[in-house]
Amino acid sequence: GENVEQHPSTLSVQEGDSAVIKCTYSDSASNYFPWYKQELEKGPQLIIDIRSNVGEKKDQRIAVTLNKTAKHFSLHITETQPEDSAVYFCAAPIFSGGYNKLIFGAGTRLAVHP
Amino acid sequence: GAGVSQSPSNKVTEKGKDVELRCDPISGHTALYWYRQRLGQGLEFLIYFQGNSAPDKSGLPSDRFSAERTGESVSTLTIQRTQQEDSAVYLCASSLLSGQGHYEQYFGPGTRLTVT
Repeated sequence: GENVEQHPSTLSVQEGDSAVIKCTYSDSASNYFPWYKQELEKGPQLIIDIRSNVGEKKDQRIAVTLNKTAKHFSLHITETQPEDSAVYFCAAPIFSGGYNKLIFGAGTRLAVHP
Repeated sequence: GAGVSQSPSNKVTEKGKDVELRCDPISGHTALYWYRQRLGQGLEFLIYFQGNSAPDKSGLPSDRFSAERTGESVSTLTIQRTQQEDSAVYLCASSLLSGQGHYEQYFGPGTRLTVT
């Protein structure tokens, strides 16, 4: 089955710096990699995703890169702001029982200090 | 439009009592998921419903846990004879038809369960 590992577990940066969170997955058949942001007392929310037919995707200050050969993908946040402080989860799918189930990483707690 | 809603937002119960958690998915979403999130940890898959198909119960941790969903509407997660290790936030998510495609999962705010 799919195994998703996420690093680091915590990350502290100064406002304006960049933040990078990395994930590895085990199932070479996986072809979709979303990133979710969870703010305090809220449910996770999708912020960006990438499919296996591209190597990079950007949306304003956030970007995701994918290396299918090495089976890892990363989230990049540039010009960090205090409101970026949250827990970030990566995920990868496993096709089981006729549907795609997402397996989530353990999460990265990002703190952006003013 | 309305997002996924869950109730109650918080539940404190005594060890050994039964609890029932409710999830109202986004209208039109055929897929519904339940996850457990222990303090400071990731999302642990519990159960998945897809339309009228048999649910995937592979993530339920014990037979004290059960869930129901009628058609494409409300779902309830029931925990019988609660234990302290059941204390966690229980998250519900819904999405459009899953199948072989990939669709965004929309999460509710969760129910924080505390077993004393």
